Amino acid sequence: AQSVTQLDSQVPVFEEAPVELRCNYSSSVSVYLFWYVQYPNQGLQLLLKYLSGSTLVKGINGFEAEFNKSQTSFHLRKPSVHISDTAEYFCAVTNTGNQFYFGTGTSLTVIP
Amino acid sequence: DTEVTQTPKHLVMGMTNKKSLKCEQHMGHRAMYWYKQKAKKPPELMFVYSYEKLSINESVPSRFSPECPNSSLLNLHLHALQPEDSALYLCASSQPDSTGELFFGEGSRLTVL
Repeated sequence: AQSVTQLDSQVPVFEEAPVELRCNYSSSVSVYLFWYVQYPNQGLQLLLKYLSGSTLVKGINGFEAEFNKSQTSFHLRKPSVHISDTAEYFCAVTNTGNQFYFGTGTSLTVIP
Repeated sequence: DTEVTQTPKHLVMGMTNKKSLKCEQHMGHRAMYWYKQKAKKPPELMFVYSYEKLSINESVPSRFSPECPNSSLLNLHLHALQPEDSALYLCASSQPDSTGELFFGEGSRLTVL
């Protein structure tokens, strides 16, 4: 089975500052990793995904993430955040594409 | 615009009512999912249909009854719900047995009085 840990439940950051949202996973098999964003009263939207190949993955809205197999991590980063980035962020993992496991989420608040 | 469409967006029902949530996708995906999400929590998997057959039921109470009439449609029939069932219900789709991501609808906000 797989599991996902998001260590930070809330991350406040000032506008235009960089941010990193942490995600660690555990699995005995190869996995595929995803970051989703959820704005208030909306569904989840894919930010980026790691399937294979380059460990640095670029996504939408200026976000990127780095897959680190030795540390079993998939941290999400953005060099300069905007007010509009305020949202809930979920890391997710699957190994089959049939069952996805979500982390508990990180609430990012961008402070003007 | 989301490619997974859920209706209604909002639903208020009493504990004795019968209602249904509907989900539709036209991406040719053969796996469809129902998730329940409480505020500030991750989505909790309820049901998975793969090739129109129920493949996963996460021990969901029988007052929730899923139905997959065809590869594009997914329903969730609701009967005799409890106030604690109030939540955002999310539908998602994907290609089964692939490395593709889940595509989510915008959800149906359910309030049980």
